[in-house]
Amino acid sequence: EVQLLESGGGLVQPGGSLRLSCAASGFTFSSYAMSWVRQAPGKGLEWVSAISGSGGSTYYADSVKGRFTISRDNSKNTLYLQMNSLRAEDTAVYYCARQRITMVQGVLAVRVDVWGKGTTVTVSS
Amino acid sequence: DIQMTQSPSSLSASVGDRVTITCRASQSISSYLNWYQQKPGKAPKLLIYAASSLQSGVPSRFSGSGSGTDFTLTISSLQPEDFATYYCQQSYSTPSITFGQGTRLEIK
Repeated sequence: EVQLLESGGGLVQPGGSLRLSCAASGFTFSSYAMSWVRQAPGKGLEWVSAISGSGGSTYYADSVKGRFTISRDNSKNTLYLQMNSLRAEDTAVYYCARQRITMVQGVLAVRVDVWGKGTTVTVSS
Repeated sequence: DIQMTQSPSSLSASVGDRVTITCRASQSISSYLNWYQQKPGKAPKLLIYAASSLQSGVPSRFSGSGSGTDFTLTISSLQPEDFATYYCQQSYSTPSITFGQGTRLEIK
């Protein structure tokens, strides 16, 4: 069974740091780009960061650029998100997400086809 | 950045109703449009990708259409388990993907 399991969330003070992990199983982890998507309480979904299958390319939303770092260890089938200089507005459920890419009628269809259950990050004093 | 706007923001309907949710992009995104369903306390679930392709395992009462800037998600006959929040998402500017604000579908 394909699964993603996040961990590492918790309560942290403003300005603090946290490292999220996502353990993948049931598929060839290194073959897939991965993302982090977050959802603030009562709000919609916001893409945070993405990384290529090899880990050689990384991408960030403007809201977290320079503060968050995405990485992966393909030997451990694990995705990470290092979060520094945390702010109250970073409070959210953080989802680990697998990106699936296929050609569909001439379109390179990119979508998130597997999601973790999420881990909650609360930034508060 | 590409902005995605869904309408309506919320919708009340009855079991058996036909429901349509609309998503509009701030610029043309061809068919780079996906739809997700999210139930309270749960992760989103992929329903439709590339505007009209049904994800494996998703009931055929769900369908998607559109291209360019205007897209629709249709549920042909609402079932009790369909009451949830629905999000559209553009993948035109991958890896920087953006979601609509969501449409909450409630029981009338």
